[in-house]
Amino acid sequence: AQSVTQLDSQVPVFEEAPVELRCNYSSSVSVYLFWYVQYPNQGLQLLLKYLSGSTLVESINGFEAEFNKSQTSFHLRKPSVHISDTAEYFCAVSDRRPSGSARQLTFGSGTQLTVLP
Amino acid sequence: DAGITQSPRHKVTETGTPVTLRCHQTENHRYMYWYRQDPGHGLRLIHYSYGVKDTDKGEVSDGYSVSRSKTEDFLLTLESATSSQTSVYFCAISWEGITGELFFGEGSRLTVL
Repeated sequence: AQSVTQLDSQVPVFEEAPVELRCNYSSSVSVYLFWYVQYPNQGLQLLLKYLSGSTLVESINGFEAEFNKSQTSFHLRKPSVHISDTAEYFCAVSDRRPSGSARQLTFGSGTQLTVLP
Repeated sequence: DAGITQSPRHKVTETGTPVTLRCHQTENHRYMYWYRQDPGHGLRLIHYSYGVKDTDKGEVSDGYSVSRSKTEDFLLTLESATSSQTSVYFCAISWEGITGELFFGEGSRLTVL
């Protein structure tokens, strides 16, 4: 079974500063990796995902994450944050398995990013 | 916004009573999921469905049952609610399973006294 560890439960950062949200996973097989974001009183929204190919993936709003197989990590970064990025961010992992069946997605416990003016 | 509606959005009930949460979608997505969200635990999968009448258990399925008699509705039932089931419950849908994007509803907050 896979597991996900988000090392920081709270990350405060000033506006326009860079940020990194850390995510490590454990799995005995190859994985798919995701970052989801949750704004207050809303459901989660997909931010970006790694399925295969380039290990660096980007979102449309400036976030990026890099899959590092040797370190079993998928850290999320943004070079300059905005007030509107304040939200809770969840890393998630799923084992690769033959297609045809729904796989389970395991979420980390979340990191609350608070951008300060 | 993806067409997902959860009902009720808020419910307070007493220990031992049955509770049913409904997830309704208008997107004709094949896959539907029920998660619970608790502080410090992130989201944990309760049950999921990969088609009408096709369901399977997630990691925290004890005390919960589900039914999917038609594509658009996925019901989560707590046969006898306990205080440990106080949580926020999220329904999610997906066209291609978890490798695609999961679209989440706005959540149902359940309090069991």
